Amino acid sequence: AQTVTQSQPEMSVQEAETVTLSCTYDTSESDYYLFWYKQPPSRQMILVIRQEAYKQQNATENRFSVNFQKAAKSFSLKISDSQLGDAAMYFCAYRRRGTYKYIFGTGTRLKVLA
Amino acid sequence: DVKVTQSSRYLVKRTGEKVFLECVQDMDHENMFWYRQDPGLGLRLIYFSYDVKMKEKGDIPEGYSVSREKKERFSLILESASTNQTSMYLCASSPQSLPLGPEDGNTIYFGEGSWLTVV
Repeated sequence: AQTVTQSQPEMSVQEAETVTLSCTYDTSESDYYLFWYKQPPSRQMILVIRQEAYKQQNATENRFSVNFQKAAKSFSLKISDSQLGDAAMYFCAYRRRGTYKYIFGTGTRLKVLA
Repeated sequence: DVKVTQSSRYLVKRTGEKVFLECVQDMDHENMFWYRQDPGLGLRLIYFSYDVKMKEKGDIPEGYSVSREKKERFSLILESASTNQTSMYLCASSPQSLPLGPEDGNTIYFGEGSWLTVV
């Protein structure tokens, strides 16, 4: 069965600094998607970034980028120039292509210090 | 923008009560989901629906049932609420995933969550 592991329950970063959130996953599939979702306090969970497994190039969305290591089954999220609004719970998720089921990690709470 | 609306943000119910959590999406999505979110456990899938009147059990269906009479609406029902069902409940929707279709890199859209406390 597929699993997603986030080993950092909580992280802190100074405003304007860079932070990396870790995620590892386990699957025997070759065609899948990986996601990072952000859940701000008392607000809706939203998609931050998405990576297709068949693409070697790491996805980037403005200040957010990923380091996708397919062989190592690692999918970390880097947040550059951290802002106070980045404070949230971050979830890593996996979905096999063509299926509906998302597998979520346990989340990492990110605190941004002014 | 996709909008997934959960009718109740905060509820307090008594043990043994029947509880309804309602969810509506406005993007004509085929798939709808109910998750439960607990600290240290992440999101766990309770039930999934891929079409009107169709449903599948997720990872933790015990103590819950669902109803999907219309495409845009997906209800979660706690037949007899218990204190271990105190949690945050997230509704979500997504477009259909086609195994043999073109790239289906679609994602899942969440509601704001319903905090349920059972006393």
